[in-house]
Formats: sequence, C-alpha cells, structure tokens
Amino acid sequence: RKEVEQDPGPFNVPEGATVAFNCTYSNSASQSFFWYRQDCRKEPKLLMSVYSSGNEDGRFTAQLNRASQYISLLIRDSKLSDSATYLCVVNALHTGNQFYFGTGTSLTVIP
Amino acid sequence: DTAVSQTPKYLVTQMGNDKSIKCEQNLGHDTMYWYKQDSKKFLKIMFSYNNKELIINETVPNRFSPKSPDKAHLNLHINSLELGDSAVYFCASGGTYNEQFFGPGTRLTVL
Repeated sequence: RKEVEQDPGPFNVPEGATVAFNCTYSNSASQSFFWYRQDCRKEPKLLMSVYSSGNEDGRFTAQLNRASQYISLLIRDSKLSDSATYLCVVNALHTGNQFYFGTGTSLTVIP
Repeated sequence: DTAVSQTPKYLVTQMGNDKSIKCEQNLGHDTMYWYKQDSKKFLKIMFSYNNKELIINETVPNRFSPKSPDKAHLNLHINSLELGDSAVYFCASGGTYNEQFFGPGTRLTVL
C-alpha cells in the first residue's frame, strides 16, 4: 500500500467554483502534513502546511483528520492561475524524517 | 537570489556515460534531499543529508552516489547511465518547520 494516496483527477472546474481534494495516508505515526503545488515543468512549491485544527490562507483551507488519516484542501472562488497539480505530502519522523509525496491531483480551471 | 539552484537544467547523454548534477542552497538549512520524478510524475525520495551526513538512502542503484562537501551543497553523481534513469531530478533543502524548498530540477534524458 502506498504511503500517500490521492485521486489523480483531472478536475476541470469553471472559474469561481469551489473544489476540494482529499488525500489519505497509511501510517498513523505521521506527524507533519503539507500541500504543495506543482506547475507544468516546474518544481513543487509549498502551498500550505496542514495543522490539526485546520488552517486557512485566503481562498485555501486545509483540514487534517487524524482518526481517519486523511487531509483535505479546499479552494474557493477558483482562478485560472490555480490550474496546477496539487501534491499531498506527509512527513514521518519514524522513518528518518522522510517525506512521502502523493502522485498529485491535476486541476484545470476553465474560463 | 535563487534559494536552491541546480545545474545543469537539461542533460542529454548516451547510455553508459557518467554524469553529475550539482545542487546548492543559500537558505542556511541543515538538510538537503534528492528526489526523482518519473514520467508518471511520481516524486520519490532518493537521498537525504543532514549537515553533510547521509540520513536516508532509499533503494536506489549504487550507480547513484550523492556527495555533500558542505551543508550548502549536495551533488549527485550517476555512473553507467541507463535508459530508465531518464527523469527529472529535484534537489531540495529542509526548513525549520519541515517545509521543503525545491530547486528548478534537472531534466535528464538518456539515449
């Protein structure tokens, strides 16, 4: 079983729509959680960390559910510039501070 | 100022050759990583160094040898290149809150 699983999509949504991505992780000892964004032919960039109480950054809201071992990302009022691949990342200290990346969810925002 | 830089950006070479990719970070981080992103876009860790010491060494052929002359540099040398080595290789460095900053990637094509 993969450490981190994501629905690859693609998600095609109109501008202004709200879209949500989920990600599940297999190891309950995982300690840090992140969402990264990767544009085509570019490097991944940190979008936001995910905290236990949930956190928001503008139009983006991240949630963590430790009991069910999933992480979510909600994007409100989608913009064309949100089109990218969104990577769920989990960090596990028990494996030497290793980071596990999901395969990513592709989002295209349509005018 | 580029936080994490890699050279070269593109590398096209013949099977059997030996090549190196260089990585430098000016963020003052103690931890650096090498990742491989294959054609299916899956990002997988290869190596992790903390303050010049090898921490993570995933199941990678021993043709791949990382070298860290100081904590700001982590180079990757690859011997006897094979077709399956074609991928994008990303260097990253680790921040205080476990976030990672990625270099722009090196697109390796083995012919």
